[in-house]
Amino acid sequence: AQTVTQSQPEMSVQEAETVTLSCTYDTSESDYYLFWYKQPPSRQMILVIRQEAYKQQNATENRFSVNFQKAAKSFSLKISDSQLGDAAMYFCAYKLAGGGADGLTFGKGTHLIIQP
Amino acid sequence: EPEVTQTPSHQVTQMGQEVILRCVPISNHLYFYWYRQILGQKVEFLVSFYNNEISEKSEIFDDQFSVERPDGSNFTLKIRSTKLEDSAMYFCASSEFRVSGANVLTFGAGSRLTVL
Repeated sequence: AQTVTQSQPEMSVQEAETVTLSCTYDTSESDYYLFWYKQPPSRQMILVIRQEAYKQQNATENRFSVNFQKAAKSFSLKISDSQLGDAAMYFCAYKLAGGGADGLTFGKGTHLIIQP
Repeated sequence: EPEVTQTPSHQVTQMGQEVILRCVPISNHLYFYWYRQILGQKVEFLVSFYNNEISEKSEIFDDQFSVERPDGSNFTLKIRSTKLEDSAMYFCASSEFRVSGANVLTFGAGSRLTVL
């Protein structure tokens, strides 16, 4: 079974600085998708960034980028120029590609605190 | 921006009672999901639903749980006889097509279920 591990329950960063959230996963599959979701307090989870395992190039979305290391099964999220609105729970998630597997496997989350 | 809406936002019930959680997915989406998050634990996949039938379900989704799309807009999760351990946040999600690198989940804000 696939597992996703986020080893940092909580991270704190000064506004405007850069922070990296770590995520590792365990799978024997070669084709899958990885996601980072953000959950602000009392709000729904929203997608931050996604990565397809067959793509070697790291995904980037504005201030958010990933460091995808397939061999190491690592998928970290880098947030540059941190803003107060980035404060949230961040969840890493994995999904097997193809049919027959609909569910995402999530990590336990990292609580990101932005200090003004 | 289209949203997945969930009701109620919080429900308190007595052990053994039936509970129905409601969701209105995004109108052009074809796949529907329920996830749950017990306090302090991971978000866990419960079930996916497509073409008016269950597409996939996890080990958690036992005979106490059922899902239904009673009309063209609502998607419900019923827990037949609630147990204390059913206390959790339940998230509904939908996607236009099966989740992939191109098609992602849109989550609702969640329904918090407290079983006393």
